[in-house]
Amino acid sequence: DTEVTQTPKHLVMGMTNKKSLKCEQHMGHRAMYWYKQKAKKPPELMFVYSYEKLSINESVPSRFSPECPNSSLLNLHLHALQPEDSALYLCASSHAGGAPSSYNEQFFGPGTRLTVL
Amino acid sequence: AQTVTQSQPEMSVQEAETVTLSCTYDTSESDYYLFWYKQPPSRQMILVIRQEAYKQQNATENRFSVNFQKAAKSFSLKISDSQLGDAAMYFCAYRSFRGSQGNLIFGKGTKLSVKP
Repeated sequence: DTEVTQTPKHLVMGMTNKKSLKCEQHMGHRAMYWYKQKAKKPPELMFVYSYEKLSINESVPSRFSPECPNSSLLNLHLHALQPEDSALYLCASSHAGGAPSSYNEQFFGPGTRLTVL
Repeated sequence: AQTVTQSQPEMSVQEAETVTLSCTYDTSESDYYLFWYKQPPSRQMILVIRQEAYKQQNATENRFSVNFQKAAKSFSLKISDSQLGDAAMYFCAYRSFRGSQGNLIFGKGTKLSVKP
């Protein structure tokens, strides 16, 4: 299984709502990532989890709250978002640590298209 | 800090022809990895090809090959026998050899159109 799944595919929420994005992989990867991607732009790294611990937070506002309940799951909890947070949110996973070169690939999920009204 | 530059925002190629997408990068590291990712309009980012900086031989994956010039810090992607399904955004990405996370540094992307 070389797939990263993300749910939901689309999400529309108001600025006062609380919602969560979910990401799952069963490739045995111990590094998982959240990216934000605006239209026609490259993905921007938000968070990195390594061995279920948050290792990188790229100065993301606190209205985004990541969670890694186990080695296969990654959540992104959303609260009090702004319209400018509307974007495609991508999850990715890879092997962690000093793995051989063949293990450096990040596998991406299809993304969640988020619209904040 | 490392940077990745893709100087061609858009490219177009005729079906069955060959096209080359450019990528340059800046780094002070000697060991690193380079990738080309493809993102079709359906959104899913897919790895096209990877290159380890310590390998002199250019990577090849079927119709996709790279021209890796380490001294010039250049990493171009050649697509041969272009197909309609090759139409997508292509992102060049850099990853440091060091560090426990595979953090990718992306270029701004090149939108490739394939004309029938």
